[in-house]
Amino acid sequence: RKEVEQDPGPFNVPEGATVAFNCTYSNSASQSFFWYRQDCRKEPKLLMSVYSSGNEDGRFTAQLNRASQYISLLIRDSKLSDSATYLCVVNDYKLSFGAGTTVTVRA
Amino acid sequence: DAGVIQSPRHEVTEMGQEVTLRCKPISGHDYLFWYRQTMMRGLELLIYFNNNVPIDDSGMPEDRFSAKMPNASFSTLKIQPSEPRDSAVYFCASNHPETGNTIYFGEGSWLTVV
Repeated sequence: RKEVEQDPGPFNVPEGATVAFNCTYSNSASQSFFWYRQDCRKEPKLLMSVYSSGNEDGRFTAQLNRASQYISLLIRDSKLSDSATYLCVVNDYKLSFGAGTTVTVRA
Repeated sequence: DAGVIQSPRHEVTEMGQEVTLRCKPISGHDYLFWYRQTMMRGLELLIYFNNNVPIDDSGMPEDRFSAKMPNASFSTLKIQPSEPRDSAVYFCASNHPETGNTIYFGEGSWLTVV
């Protein structure tokens, strides 16, 4: 079983829609979690950390469910500029990246 | 501030040739990571250094791959001899504990082995 698994998508959504997707992790002892964003042919960049109580950053909401070992990302009022691949990252002594979920927002 | 700097940005080489990828981490960062990204396998950690010392090289695929960090501002990843299956984007990244767990990636080196 992979350490971090994501639905690859793609999620094709119209502007203004809400899109959400999950990521599961295998190590129950993992302590910290992140979402990174990667644009086409670019390097990954930190989008947001994921806290146990859940957290928001503007239109982005991240949730952690330790019991079921998954984290989620929700994007509200999606913009064309949100089109990217979103990488789930789990830190258990090293950062393990998921393969990414591709989101395409269409006009 | 300058970010992580990698070179070359693009390289096309013939099978069997030696490839050397270079990285300059962000000044003051004491962790340096080498990742490889392919469509099939996603982003894989190859090796990481702390204070110029290799800590975990378990992700290095085989003996053809080697990495060095002779000083705090420079690291190399070498493939000798290169094979077509080594074609990938190789990212270098750096981090300092004061930045939390955020790691900063370079723009990547796009390697094609023909």
